[in-house]
This record gives sequence, C-alpha cells and structure tokens, in this order.
Amino acid sequence: SAVISQKPSRDICQRGTSLTIQCQVDSQVTMMFWYRQQPGQSLTLIATANQGSEATYESGFVIDKFPISRPNLTFSTLTVSNMSPEDSSIYLCSFYKLDLAGGSYEQYFGPGTRLTVT
Amino acid sequence: DQQVKQNSPSLSVQEGRISILNCDYTNSMFDYFLWYKKYPAEGPTFLISISSIKDKNEDGRFTVFLNKSAKHLSLHIVPSQPGDSAVYFCAASARNIQGAQKLVFGQGTRLTINP
Repeated sequence: SAVISQKPSRDICQRGTSLTIQCQVDSQVTMMFWYRQQPGQSLTLIATANQGSEATYESGFVIDKFPISRPNLTFSTLTVSNMSPEDSSIYLCSFYKLDLAGGSYEQYFGPGTRLTVT
Repeated sequence: DQQVKQNSPSLSVQEGRISILNCDYTNSMFDYFLWYKKYPAEGPTFLISISSIKDKNEDGRFTVFLNKSAKHLSLHIVPSQPGDSAVYFCAASARNIQGAQKLVFGQGTRLTINP
C-alpha cells in the first residue's frame, strides 16, 4: 500500500486565523483529494487537486475559504481560512490507483489533521 | 440526498463468527465500491474493493459481495477477531465530467467483536 502523510496531525486555532495542512505522497499521482470529517459524520469531499490546474470544488465549498495548492505530483496543501468553530473537523488528503485492465480501484487516505477552532 | 447508505449504525458479533456489514446505494453510475476500516483519530484504512462488473471479490478474511439489481453490497469478515472492532465505511465511486473518480461515503457501521 502507498504511504501518505499529513502535517500537522492536530492543531488548536483561534477564530479568524488560517491553517495550512500539508500532504505528501510517496509516489507521483495525478489527482489528489481533500476530504473533511465533521464530528459524528461521514467523510465529505471538499475538492479535487490536479497538478498544474486549479482545484475543482464540490458544492458548498469555495476557493476563498479552502485554497488549495498542488505544486508537483507528490504534494498538496489545503488552507482553512478565516476559521470559525464550525470548521472544527478532521481534514484528510487522499489519492487513488485505478487499474482499468485489471479492474481494480484503490483509494488511500492520509492519517488526518484534527483541527479544533476555539 | 444520501447516495450511499449504511442503515445499521452498530453491529456486535462474537469472536470467531462471521461479521456481515451491509450497504445500499442509489446511483447506478457507480463503477467501483470500496470498504474502509477506521479507528478514532486515524485516517480510513482501505480494505477491499469491487468493480461493478463483478459480484464477488475476496482478500483473506474479507469478502465483498455486490448485487447490482438490488443496489446492495455487503462485506463479510470471517472469522471475526477482536482487532476488527472499528467503524467500517462503505464507499462508492463514479467518474465525474472532469474524468476523475469521485468517492461518496456511507455513514459508517461500528463493529464490536466480543471475546
């Protein structure tokens, strides 16, 4: 299985500040994804990040609030801007491996960044 | 609009017996289905997946069954072990207009294996 790491693993931030989360993958991947898991909820896709193009955001998520960078094929960052307590969540990065010939699909997730906004 | 549903929030099974986790979906465009195991304060761990053109995939103690006509899939764990106690998420993937596989998650089922 692939190795995917995130920094920081957790943080406590004040309302109105911003936090940038880093994600590193041990192999080159075309697409990286950012998800959020709010307390007691399932995982929700925030955006898809392609190297060399702007990220594509899901309904309910906007670039001004969650700017994403994708400078190369192994790295991405997600910034949570102007934070409020409602942004307290676990943020996870992800990528997938698709083998069309073999009919297999595997998607891997980082360990997550636990964000608490006070 | 919950496209992937896990209707059982929790399941308790005796060690050594079979654990069966269920999942239903509504979108017939899903082409892959995945199961994840998640411990608190960790990211989801990929367990097993199945293509929509298959009806069964097996990997060690884990078997996933897909019934396309019923839009239902299940994960069988046999034999169940105490270390299997975790929250299990069902997820389904479909290709979006940008050509990316987009993954949608169910709400999760908390599995407890009793010694």
